[in-house]
Amino acid sequence: GNSVTQMEGPVTLSEEAFLTINCTYTATGYPSLFWYVQYPGEGLQLLLKATKADDKGSNKGFEATYRKETTSFHLEKGSVQVSDSAVYFCALSDSAGGTSYGKLTFGQGTILTVHP
Amino acid sequence: GAVVSQHPSRVICKSGTSVKIECRSLDFQATTMFWYRQFPKQSLMLMATSNEGSKATYEQGVEKDKFLINHASLTLSTLTVTSAHPEDSSFYICSAYDWMGTEAFFGQGTRLTVV
Repeated sequence: GNSVTQMEGPVTLSEEAFLTINCTYTATGYPSLFWYVQYPGEGLQLLLKATKADDKGSNKGFEATYRKETTSFHLEKGSVQVSDSAVYFCALSDSAGGTSYGKLTFGQGTILTVHP
Repeated sequence: GAVVSQHPSRVICKSGTSVKIECRSLDFQATTMFWYRQFPKQSLMLMATSNEGSKATYEQGVEKDKFLINHASLTLSTLTVTSAHPEDSSFYICSAYDWMGTEAFFGQGTRLTVV
């Protein structure tokens, strides 16, 4: 079956530091890959996504590249801010498009705390 | 983005009672909704997929008689935890699928505590 593995947290950084959160996956076929973010007291929000190999998803300064050869989708940001403190989830769906966008397999989540 | 409202955000109930959790899409029609469960320090696990007007599809290992799902309209799905026991205590999250097929939108979650 499908699975997603994220680097263990929590991650604590100073403002303006570089962020990497590793994510690797196991899936059959050609999954779509996602990063969701959950701010304190809020629901999950889609941060970025990529639907095929070598696609790069980006949003709010965050980036992740779909690497089929290494089955990875690592999240990066060049300079984090205090407001980026949240829980980040890597996820996959079985195929691009359709209802599969909603049927997700999640990683365990990584708590990020950014200090001023 | 679209808004999904989940209610209640927290509920405490006695063992043996039933609890209903609502998931509403406020500004779009959701033909499909999903229910997830999250244990402490663990990931979200898909419990079931509900389609408007039809029976829910449950993931392997999820008791459909314990977790009743009703998706009676395009904007509302409910999850009822029947005869709740302390082991049902968890964080339940719903998501609603945008009919245009762009992404799923998540509710804020419900913290259920069974005492």
